[in-house]
Amino acid sequence: DQQVKQNSPSLSVQEGRISILNCDYTNSMFDYFLWYKKYPAEGPTFLISISSIKDKNEDGRFTVFLNKSAKHLSLHIVPSQPGDSAVYFCAARFDNYGQNFVFGPGTRLSVLP
Amino acid sequence: DVKVTQSSRYLVKRTGEKVFLECVQDMDHENMFWYRQDPGLGLRLIYFSYDVKMKEKGDIPEGYSVSREKKERFSLILESASTNQTSMYLCASSLLGGRNQPQHFGDGTRLSIL
Repeated sequence: DQQVKQNSPSLSVQEGRISILNCDYTNSMFDYFLWYKKYPAEGPTFLISISSIKDKNEDGRFTVFLNKSAKHLSLHIVPSQPGDSAVYFCAARFDNYGQNFVFGPGTRLSVLP
Repeated sequence: DVKVTQSSRYLVKRTGEKVFLECVQDMDHENMFWYRQDPGLGLRLIYFSYDVKMKEKGDIPEGYSVSREKKERFSLILESASTNQTSMYLCASSLLGGRNQPQHFGDGTRLSIL
């Protein structure tokens, strides 16, 4: 059973609007969460993170929100740009010492010009 | 910047062949990881290593082995390749222990087994 879920396989958004990507997890012991962005034929690139002691982290156009009681996090991209079109993976850490993460299946974001 | 280099971007092999995928990182990271990425399944952990000569099984180790003879290099071995091992293989590295920091990935090797 997947411990990290991204229930939307794909999302289309108009350029300039907000993109919201969602991620749900089942294990309350996860203590650190990451978002990665992946272009075709490239490896995932780290985008933004959030520790379980926070509920929001912002970096430029990217903001991650964490709702621990709901075991839910979301990535907001404002404003969305065509270059943001990629697959986005959510990841949750279960092993602080070994830095081991569980990854979600990914959401493909398409930003339309 | 962290650099994780995978030796091949694309590789085509035949069923039954022994296949080696190489990964090198230049940041003196203790941890190294091998994943495979398949559509709809995300990244699944095959093996990882916290130190030289050390290895741990991930979620899907069957049909694979690994080697870590030097800190900077982590090799994935397909002992006898099969068609269901056709996939994108990703190597990653990170520092060990107690810090909030991400894994850093290579560009991947797209492996096709015919």
